[in-house]
Amino acid sequence: DARVTQTPRHKVTEMGQEVTMRCQPILGHNTVFWYRQTMMQGLELLAYFRNRAPLDDSGMPKDRFSAEMPDATLATLKIQPSEPRDSAVYFCASGLGQGLPYFGPGTRLTVT
Amino acid sequence: GESVGLHLPTLSVQEGDNSIINCAYSNSASDYFIWYKQESGKGPQFIIDIRSNMDKRQGQRVTVLLNKTVKHLSLQIAATQPGDSAVYFCAETLNTDKLIFGTGTRLQVFP
Repeated sequence: DARVTQTPRHKVTEMGQEVTMRCQPILGHNTVFWYRQTMMQGLELLAYFRNRAPLDDSGMPKDRFSAEMPDATLATLKIQPSEPRDSAVYFCASGLGQGLPYFGPGTRLTVT
Repeated sequence: GESVGLHLPTLSVQEGDNSIINCAYSNSASDYFIWYKQESGKGPQFIIDIRSNMDKRQGQRVTVLLNKTVKHLSLQIAATQPGDSAVYFCAETLNTDKLIFGTGTRLQVFP
């Protein structure tokens, strides 16, 4: 049963700390998305990659957020420094080409 | 589990009844639409999709209707079950990878 995995599932950190979230896309999928879900904004696309190359990160605050794909089996989303307004659930999704994205279980981030 | 939203519209239905969840999409040029279901503590899960050259598509117990004239999408669930309780999102895209999600509707099924 192929699925997207994300770690950690929950993260509580203090303002100013660095946070790294990891995602393992479904094997063979070459498109990876990062979404953020909050009560106020709903599901927002932060960035996405195809064949490990960033295609669009216009939804991501550039000053503190960075997204990378060190290899085809790992995507990372980093926040440095973290702020309370970054508290949200961060979802990774993967797909094949422009095919349907499949979502992971999410990382619930709380910044105090 | 994760709280999806305190201010979501809510649809309450009795078990066994049919449910209709509505969505107004924003871009008249969008050509692909997807319905996702999100249960507490989980990521969105695909339910059914439809392309803009169709106005109806049926799956197992679910039907999606597309009205491009008024930019309206609906999800019909037949014989709603307790396991259908979740938040439902519609998403649209125009020939790109950027899925734009709606705000969601919470479906509550009571016995």
